[in-house]
Amino acid sequence: QVELVASGGDIVQPGRSLRLSCAASGFVFSTHGMHWVRQAPGKGLEWVAVIWYDGSIQEYADSVKGRFTISRDNPSNTLSLQMTNVRVDDTAVYYCAREALGGDYFDFWAQGTVVTVSS
Amino acid sequence: EIVLTQSPDTLSLSPGERATLSCRASQSLHSTFLAWYQQKPGQAPRLLIFGASNRATGIPDRFSGSGSGTDFTLTVSRVEPEDFAVYYCQQYGNSLPYTFGQGTKLEIK
Repeated sequence: QVELVASGGDIVQPGRSLRLSCAASGFVFSTHGMHWVRQAPGKGLEWVAVIWYDGSIQEYADSVKGRFTISRDNPSNTLSLQMTNVRVDDTAVYYCAREALGGDYFDFWAQGTVVTVSS
Repeated sequence: EIVLTQSPDTLSLSPGERATLSCRASQSLHSTFLAWYQQKPGQAPRLLIFGASNRATGIPDRFSGSGSGTDFTLTVSRVEPEDFAVYYCQQYGNSLPYTFGQGTKLEIK
């Protein structure tokens, strides 16, 4: 069965860096686009970044462009999000989500990993 | 950026009643590229509907979606106790960024 496990969340000071990971299993990882979506405490969902199935294209929300980098390693079925120069408003639960083969909607989600940015 | 506005913010119903949730887009969506998700406290979102009206695998048929252009609706024909949650709409296949509505909380009356 499809499984996505997100990890790497932590408490980090503003301006520092953090790397999130998402381990995928139960499906052919290299055929799906993958996304990061976040949710600030008590707030709604915000799309963060996408990477194409082969890693050739990455796109970002304006709020993280230039600070976050999405990447993937298909042989190890792993998705990553490198977060640099983090800000207080990056505090959120970060979900990795699988893009469906039939469209850019998210058919499976990880449980999420918590990032808290605080001095 | 396409803005999605959901209404109402909160919907209070009793089990067995019909729930109607609305999602309005700031511009017409390409080819009904709209999805609905359910999120319960402490859990990740779960896909309910894609392509405006297609139920995802394993979703009960009491959930249905409709609409096109700028106006979309999620209907729960008879609300079950496990359906009380927050529901989000999301547009895709249009210009980036992917966007979500602010959510509608379906609560027990």
